[in-house]
Amino acid sequence: GAGVSQSPSNKVTEKGKDVELRCDPISGHTALYWYRQSLGQGLEFLIYFQGNSAPDKSGLPSDRFSAERTGGSVSTLTIQRTQQEDSAVYLCASSFKRLAGVETQYFGPGTRLLVL
Amino acid sequence: AQRVTQPEKLLSVFKGAPVELKCNYSYSGSPELFWYVQYSRQRLQLLLRHISRESIKGFTADLNKGETSFHLKKPFAQEEDSAMYYCALLAGNMLTFGGGTRLMVKP
Repeated sequence: GAGVSQSPSNKVTEKGKDVELRCDPISGHTALYWYRQSLGQGLEFLIYFQGNSAPDKSGLPSDRFSAERTGGSVSTLTIQRTQQEDSAVYLCASSFKRLAGVETQYFGPGTRLLVL
Repeated sequence: AQRVTQPEKLLSVFKGAPVELKCNYSYSGSPELFWYVQYSRQRLQLLLRHISRESIKGFTADLNKGETSFHLKKPFAQEEDSAMYYCALLAGNMLTFGGGTRLMVKP
């Protein structure tokens, strides 16, 4: 079946502009994650959604970053007033969260963001 | 807070040679550890997880709680193993990744 999809695949923006990145998780997956992959920082956790629970926003680097998940499916990561240090690949992952046992996270292809 | 360390940024071996990608972690709880792989121009994908005690594509990894390590091993490297490898620890809701090791297998 279809995997996790993300759009756009590439985004170039000017410093100070807002951007929206989209993630379509695997159908039926209850958990959705956003990560950032940047040079020198590796892969960093940003935010986690599980069902109707309040999201875990502990990884968001600043209040310019926010994310929504509508209807328990599609998610949008918004970065306001982008800065050059926001340039990175933004990865989305989804999983089927069980009460017990280890889940497997499936990753999307990422959105490569370049802030000029 | 949890931490995952991969001391080697680059590991270069010849085809047929054994390979070991090192991973050390620090975590106060009971760890759930994974290896993810990213081949050129492909998405990040799960290679194996310690709880399954499986061998995937000839790779194995053993959790050593005494040494807090989860090294990835393969007895005979193949050229198609060339990729970026990430060790990851699941704690609570998030995966904490190591910095990654690029494996290059030369012919």
